Parts: sequence; structure tokens; C-alpha cells
Amino acid sequence: EAGVAQSPRYKIIEKRQSVAFWCNPISGHATLYWYQQILGQGPKLLIQFQNNGVVDDSQLPKDRFSAERLKGVDSTLKIQPAKLEDSAVYLCASSWGRQGVETQYFGPGTRLLVL
Amino acid sequence: AQSVTQLDSQVPVFEEAPVELRCNYSSSVSVYLFWYVQYPNQGLQLLLKYLSGSTLVKSINGFEAEFNKSQTSFHLRKPSVHISDTAEYFCAVFSGGYQKVTFGTGTKLQVIP
Repeated sequence: EAGVAQSPRYKIIEKRQSVAFWCNPISGHATLYWYQQILGQGPKLLIQFQNNGVVDDSQLPKDRFSAERLKGVDSTLKIQPAKLEDSAVYLCASSWGRQGVETQYFGPGTRLLVL
Repeated sequence: AQSVTQLDSQVPVFEEAPVELRCNYSSSVSVYLFWYVQYPNQGLQLLLKYLSGSTLVKSINGFEAEFNKSQTSFHLRKPSVHISDTAEYFCAVFSGGYQKVTFGTGTKLQVIP
């Protein structure tokens, strides 16, 4: 079974530029999560999708971050414009259902550096 | 609100020695608890979880954790560590009232040969 795929693995941009990350979850997984992990901190949930609908985006900075999951499969997370404090690893995870108790399967992450 | 505290950011331990990684949580409702592990250059993966039933849960590679409701803890233990256990370990909590998983800040386990 293929795992969660993310690209790119690394990205360096200057502040005020835009960037987009892509995630392909495990086939058949209905729920998809985007997390932000700042150095020295644990992952923080940014947005959770159930199929192609948003379940939770309460911690997503909506003035600059956006995400979509068209057709309930792949997802993209965009930052526009980027700030220095957005430097972090962006993790995508998926799970079979939407219950929080279900195991989440994580991708390798995208490491973003904003200069 | 819910929170997770992992007091130890780094734990060095000699190979074949026992180890305990501490995790305390804060939540006003019933909780489900997880330990995730991140090996070098790999993504996070579930190590073990407590949902209900026996308060002692075990992983396939010798780790175990015990849910202690009175002390609001879910410490991770292993009686004898291997070099391959070197990784970062994250404790996480999910509660019905909060409806999302909250992760701790992680503990880096460094096994010394």
C-alpha cells in the first residue's frame, strides 16, 4: 500500500512570495489533514477535510493560507504572501474515517524556509 | 481546551538500558491518547494508542504506555532500548469535547551505543 505522498520536499522562498504544497493521501482515506510543525514544537492542525468538505479550519490563518481538496482525493495548501514565521515543516496526513481516534498516516512533510 | 506536556525535550540513554518518556495531558472530558514516533528522515507513524479497556497498551517493538487517569499521564516505557529506537516521540490527545488531536512538543530519544 502506497503511503501519503507530498511534494515538494523542500522549498526556499522570500517573504511576500507565494508557495503551494501538494498532498496525495492513501487511497480510500476519506479524511485529510494539514499540519504545521515549527521547529521545536509539535504538529499543529491547520485544516481537516472529510472527502472534499472542510471539517475544521479554526487554526488556519485564512488571510494568507488557503487549502482545497478537489474531488475528495489530492489536496493543495497555499500560502500567499509568505511571512518569515511561516518557516516550518508542513505535514499532510490521512485517515480512513473522520473520527479523531483513528490512526493518522503521515507523509514525509515539506520543509519551507522563508527568507 | 486540551493540552499535552512533554517535559523532556531530549533523553539520552545507553543501549540496553530502560527508558521512560513522560507525557501529561489536560482535558476536562474523556480522552484518547496516542504516541507517534518519527525516525530520522521519515514521517510520523503511530506507535501505540489508548482508546478504552486495559490501561496498559503495547507496541510490537517492545514499548508500552499506561493510561493513568488520576495523574493525567500516559508515559511511554521500554525496558531495554536499541540503537534503532533513536527517534523523536510525540504524545497526542484527542477528546470528544475538543474534536481534534493535539500533539505535544516531542521528546528526542538518543540511544548511545
